[in-house]
Amino acid sequence: EVQLVESGGGLVKPGGSLRLSCAASGFRFSGAWMCWVRQAPGKGLEWVGRIRSKTDGGTVEYAAPVKDRFTISRDDSKNSLYLQINSLKTEDTATYYCTTWNYWEYYFDSWGQGTLVSVSS
Amino acid sequence: QSALTQPASVSGSPGQSITISCTGPSSDIGDYKAVSWYQQHPGKAPKLLMYDVSNRYSGISHRFSGSGSASRASLTISGLQADDEAYYYCYSYTRGTSAGAFGGGTKLTVL
Repeated sequence: EVQLVESGGGLVKPGGSLRLSCAASGFRFSGAWMCWVRQAPGKGLEWVGRIRSKTDGGTVEYAAPVKDRFTISRDDSKNSLYLQINSLKTEDTATYYCTTWNYWEYYFDSWGQGTLVSVSS
Repeated sequence: QSALTQPASVSGSPGQSITISCTGPSSDIGDYKAVSWYQQHPGKAPKLLMYDVSNRYSGISHRFSGSGSASRASLTISGLQADDEAYYYCYSYTRGTSAGAFGGGTKLTVL
């Protein structure tokens, strides 16, 4: 069974930094393309970024609103995905979901339960 | 790729059918676009229902179906059940690029 477990969320002041983690199990993580999707309170879903498997080049892509402040990385030896968020803004307040990405049919198939990031002074 | 438009809310009675639309410029839906649909119950993570417009994901009830045209994709739920009450999101991805966008979401109320 695929499991994705996010952690690392919390309350942070504007301008601060945070590193979110996603622990994966139940599938071959090293071969998976992974994404982060966020959802502001009471709002819709927003794609944040995607990282390819190292076999497919390990390329990282970001949504335009976050590409200068967010960094996605992976550690296949630990079956883990990361999201480094710098210079946090109040509009980054959201639940952040880790997902697998099906690169043949282009969809988010498995989702974690999410971790909440709150940015407030 | 611009955000896609969905109705803010739809409703139906148990046993009825409803359709949720997902519209955008023909450049955002249609040829070369892979549309998927997600269901989200309050406080829960989204769950994949449909992919590539009309393909049902593994384990998803046949009550869910999808269709699409040049500028519109639709999700139909037949035989409405109380548990179908949730938010539904479409997502369109352009093959061959990295461009994708979610719809704004539709709240389904089962009366």
